[in-house]
Amino acid sequence: DVKVTQSSRYLVKRTGEKVFLECVQDMDHENMFWYRQDPGLGLRLIYFSYDVKMKEKGDIPEGYSVSREKKERFSLILESASTNQTSMYLCASSTLDRGFMDTQYFGPGTRLTVL
Amino acid sequence: RKEVEQDPGPFNVPEGATVAFNCTYSNSASQSFFWYRQDCRKEPKLLMSVYSSGNEDGRFTAQLNRASQYISLLIRDSKLSDSATYLCVVNLYSGNTPLVFGKGTRLSVIA
Repeated sequence: DVKVTQSSRYLVKRTGEKVFLECVQDMDHENMFWYRQDPGLGLRLIYFSYDVKMKEKGDIPEGYSVSREKKERFSLILESASTNQTSMYLCASSTLDRGFMDTQYFGPGTRLTVL
Repeated sequence: RKEVEQDPGPFNVPEGATVAFNCTYSNSASQSFFWYRQDCRKEPKLLMSVYSSGNEDGRFTAQLNRASQYISLLIRDSKLSDSATYLCVVNLYSGNTPLVFGKGTRLSVIA
């Protein structure tokens, strides 16, 4: 069974703080993703990575950075948290199937509140 | 055309009803298709993949219409536990590009 874990379920931070969200997957997947989800806006891709030390911008990368030093771990960093980054953050991983991205498996999510 | 488009709902149906959701996608060369289910305040989970010939899993049937560029999900004999948001997901582009998620259709099954 694929398992994707996230470091925190709930997090409260103050404006201007540096925030680290960690994600670990145990299925040796090449690809990992960070999304945020807000009511009415659906899932929006922040960054993804298809290999160690590789990263690609998604649809809304501004205000975020990522790190992938090991295959199983993908970190999302908010350099200086702002109130408009209050959201549910979801990590996912997937492998490739015949050269195409296969099913994505999600972690349980981190609900971040920035005060 | 939006990349992956769904009717947001909500669909409010009585227990036992049959309900169908459609989803349109923009790229006729898209290769793989999925339906995910997301419960309130939980993560999305794969419900079923959608194959060219259509596929069925118990009360759930998924179909693909390449000519019209849409996929559908049919739920028969709805249960209260089917209440959730259903996300249409498409691999729109070739190669190692992320899946594209629709915004979801909300279903409430009422007793």
